[in-house]
Amino acid sequence: SQELEQSPQSLIVQEGKNLTINCTSSKTLYGLYWYKQKYGEGLIFLMMLQKGGEEKSHEKITAKLDEKKQQSSLHITASQPSHAGIYLCGADSGGYNKLIFGAGTRLAVHP
Amino acid sequence: DADVTQTPRNRITKTGKRIMLECSQTKGHDRMYWYRQDPGLGLRLIYYSFDVKDINKGEISDGYSVSRQAQAKFSLSLESAIPNQTALYFCATSDSGTGNTEAFFGQGTRLTVV
Repeated sequence: SQELEQSPQSLIVQEGKNLTINCTSSKTLYGLYWYKQKYGEGLIFLMMLQKGGEEKSHEKITAKLDEKKQQSSLHITASQPSHAGIYLCGADSGGYNKLIFGAGTRLAVHP
Repeated sequence: DADVTQTPRNRITKTGKRIMLECSQTKGHDRMYWYRQDPGLGLRLIYYSFDVKDINKGEISDGYSVSRQAQAKFSLSLESAIPNQTALYFCATSDSGTGNTEAFFGQGTRLTVV
């Protein structure tokens, strides 16, 4: 079965610093989704990537999918306290239209 | 109003009790999912349903059952709750017509089994 591994598990950064979160799949990704979760709350959709080499940006967050479609990165530029939360990558498991998730990366941004 | 609504938001129950978590959606999506979240383990799929007559087990279905009462309603039951079912439960929906699996999540139900 497909597995998603996220790194790092947790991250503490100073406000204004850049950071990157990685998501690696054991199999080719048919669709890669990034979500953000505020502690104890629901998930908010950030971005979806489907094509090898694809890159999308929204405000200060950029997500990329590598050419082989097995790894994605989420980059935050000039982090702010509002970026704090848990970031989860999700993928369409083997094209069967059920979403599986990585364990998440817990981000804290200190003023 | 939220597109995906879960009730209750919080619940404390005793070991051995039967409990039902409910999910309703106004998005008109055909697919619905139940996940549980535990610290350090991300979200794990319990059950999923692609339409009213289609129910499928996820990776951790033991101890759970579901009912798709209508396209908009998908409930999760714990027949005899046990402490290791203490977790944050999420319902999600997606639309097969979009060609992708982007899911929309409810706010979650925090369940504690004592």
